[in-house]
Amino acid sequence: DTGVSQDPRHKITKRGQNVTFRCDPISEHNRLYWYRQTLGQGPEFLTYFQNEAQLEKSRLLSDRFSAERPKGSFSTLEIQRTEQGDSAMYLCASSLNTGGGTQYFGPGTRLTVL
Amino acid sequence: EDQVTQSPEALRLQEGESSSLNCSYTVSGLRGLFWYRQDPGKGPEFLFTLYSAGEEKEKERLKATLTKKESFLHITAPKPEDSATYLCAVHYSGGGADGLTFGKGTHLIIQP
Repeated sequence: DTGVSQDPRHKITKRGQNVTFRCDPISEHNRLYWYRQTLGQGPEFLTYFQNEAQLEKSRLLSDRFSAERPKGSFSTLEIQRTEQGDSAMYLCASSLNTGGGTQYFGPGTRLTVL
Repeated sequence: EDQVTQSPEALRLQEGESSSLNCSYTVSGLRGLFWYRQDPGKGPEFLFTLYSAGEEKEKERLKATLTKKESFLHITAPKPEDSATYLCAVHYSGGGADGLTFGKGTHLIIQP
């Protein structure tokens, strides 16, 4: 399978705990994006990387959220001190080079904060 | 004000009954308009990219068109397996972020 993969697919945690998600993009894609999707809404942009550089952050990305892409391959998204409002589907996408390029999405990680 | 508006929010059709979904956008400096299909509990699946007014793309029973302010996804003789949420997204140069801006989607149900 050469598509975008995400791990875990589901995560249940208690409020106040930290969680980390992983995304492996399509191998030749140098751009990687994180989105959040809540029920009945379209995905909302959080942040993106070109190679290992994090180039843009949405104001939706509070200080409790941090993303990394060491070596420009896989990426991790960490949420510290989770809140119930963080419950959502976290989606990763990747694309080739310049803006306007088609983004291909992974299956998502469903986070439930109790 | 929403930058991408999709209508209708939900649509129920009989198998074989053709229809169109609408996506209107208010952004300027459009760099691409994208259609995705999303099944429950899964990530969006890419369907089409359109870059300029007048452009059309087709795939099986689906055809996407683009004008200066809106796009249509035409579904011809749909089958039950076409049931899904169809998402429209834009990438534009006026925004600060390089991510896509999505509409809320149209939930399509095709009844046998």
